[in-house]
This record gives sequence, structure tokens and C-alpha cells, in this order.
Amino acid sequence: DIVMTQTPSSQAVSAGEKVTMSCKSSQSLLYSENKKNYLAWYQQKPGQSPKLLISWASTRESGVPDRFIGSGSGTDFTLTISSVQAEDLAVYYCEQYYDTPFTFGSGTKLEIK
Amino acid sequence: EVKLLESGGGLVQPGGSMRLSCAASGFTFTDFYMYWIRQPAGKAPEWLGFIRNKANGYTTEYNPSVKGRFTISRDNTQNMLYLQMNTLRAEDTATYYCARSSLYWGQGVMVTVSS
Repeated sequence: DIVMTQTPSSQAVSAGEKVTMSCKSSQSLLYSENKKNYLAWYQQKPGQSPKLLISWASTRESGVPDRFIGSGSGTDFTLTISSVQAEDLAVYYCEQYYDTPFTFGSGTKLEIK
Repeated sequence: EVKLLESGGGLVQPGGSMRLSCAASGFTFTDFYMYWIRQPAGKAPEWLGFIRNKANGYTTEYNPSVKGRFTISRDNTQNMLYLQMNTLRAEDTATYYCARSSLYWGQGVMVTVSS
């Protein structure tokens, strides 16, 4: 199975600050034939289902604010929130869908100071 | 509007069985792969498996962690997705979600395996 490692496990920031979180995979998620990275980012707020924010490592889903930015390729990926808002309080998960079984990272919990 | 509504959860004894259902609406059901994912309280989601769409023969893939105990099926006449779970263990306790691709998830249903 592909192992997804997320760091940090939690992070506390003030509103308006920039935050970055990392996701590393145990093997490359870049498919050579289409040059796509099979990596997604989810946001899960308390008591809710996970919500897809970004697919293909950097493609923001419709309706997702542009302060959420996905980047990276191969085995190293980053989710950046350019200016954190209070409503961004959540746990953020990365997921690889390059190979079955699809696997998730353990999450980064974002806390607002 | 895409809607997914799970049902059938609850308390079951270790070694028991349970079938979860997922009612889908708002899209052409047969066009899409359908997924089951679970999430123990306070932990990351775990992908359980999927059933392919009509174009791909409705075949299935499973996480090895549940293969042989869990079975995913679909009733395309009723737009229903199912998860049959057998020989349940305490570690199967979780919220179970059905999903259509990564984008649409149901609200989840809780399954507790305990004596």
C-alpha cells in the first residue's frame, strides 16, 4: 500500500496568517502517460463529512476559495492557505488515488488562535 | 443535486453481520463508480472499496483489510448501493460513508461493534 505521511499533525495560527501543510507519499503519484498527480486534499469540519478541496494535486474544486492552493509533484505535496479565516478550522487530509487501495494521510488539524 | 443517504447502521455484536444501504439521487447512477469509505472516531478515513460503472461491468475492488468479509453491490434499478459486512470486529466500529467519486459524500452512518 502507498503510505501517506502528513505533517504537522496540528497547527495553530491566527486569522490572516499563511499556513502550509505537507503530505508525502511512499511512492510517486505522478502518472507518466498523462503527467497528472493522483493526489487530493480534503477539509473535514467537526461533525461533517470530508469535503473535497483539491484534486490532481493542484486543481481547486468549484466553489473552493482561492486562498486554498495545492502544489507539489511526485512524492511531495503541499496545501497552502494564503490567509486563514476562522471558518477554516478543520482537519485536512490528503489522499492518493494512484493505486488501490486508495489511502489517506493521518491529517493536519488546523486550530485558530 | 447529487444526494447520497446512508442507512442501516447501529449496534452489532462481534462476529455478526450488517448491511448498509446508500440511496443515490440527482445523477445517472449507472454512469458512476460508487465507493464506501469508513472513518473511526478521531481517525483518518479508510477507503474500503468501489464498484465500477456500467461501462466497466460493475466489477469491484476492495481494500485488502476487508476483502473477503465485506461485499459491495448495487441495485441499478433502485439507485441503491450496498455494503454487506460479515464477521464484524470491534475495529470495524466507525462512521461509514458512501461516495460518488471524491466529490460527493453522504452524511455517514455509524456502526458500533460491541458486546
